[in-house]
Amino acid sequence: VQLVESGGALVQPGGSLRLSCEASGLIVSETYMSWVRQAPGKGLEWISVIYGGGNTYYAASVRGRFDVSRDNTKNTLYLQMKSLRVEDTAVYYCARGGWSTIDHWGQGTPVTVSS
Amino acid sequence: DILMTQSPLSLSVTLGQPASISCRSNQSLVYSDGNTYLNWFQQRPGQSPRRLIYQVSDRDSGVPDRFSGSGSGTDFTLRISRVEVEDVAIYFCMQGTRWPFTFGPGTTVDIK
Repeated sequence: VQLVESGGALVQPGGSLRLSCEASGLIVSETYMSWVRQAPGKGLEWISVIYGGGNTYYAASVRGRFDVSRDNTKNTLYLQMKSLRVEDTAVYYCARGGWSTIDHWGQGTPVTVSS
Repeated sequence: DILMTQSPLSLSVTLGQPASISCRSNQSLVYSDGNTYLNWFQQRPGQSPRRLIYQVSDRDSGVPDRFSGSGSGTDFTLRISRVEVEDVAIYFCMQGTRWPFTFGPGTTVDIK
């Protein structure tokens, strides 16, 4: 299993960004996939999950601003982020898991929200 | 949300000596199916997290047997029987019983 994130960047407050996670060794549409973030020097925060059937769940901190989706033909997971805030600055990890556990993590992609 | 706490937050251990990390939740982590979804992760400097333990005490493939997990309900422990240099890392517990799944703040383990 390999998960490769991309799309992290420096963005101004209020801006938007889309992260991608290209998966190999698993089929994203057949499993739980999550996004977890880690602010600089801080702990881990589970922010969203998409189930195989397509149901999605979000942490309160990002609900209404972030949207998780997937492209089954590209076996890729996405995280569309809008109305970004300074406190969204973090390394964003794509991960397999979302019901009870996480068993594989990507290498992470850094997002910095700053003016 | 379920609050996860860990103690200590920092631990200095002599090589070859044991280490123990406590993780507590403010609600029972027993799910309706009778299982307890408590996980432990290791994050080495500059790396992504790696799962060590799931369902309290099941060790992942490739994880040295010097790592063990125990506990029940709201009180859990990760033990390293003999700390090695490669164990320098931050250790996080995580509950997967109720959404949103939540992590402990992490315990930093280094060598004395």
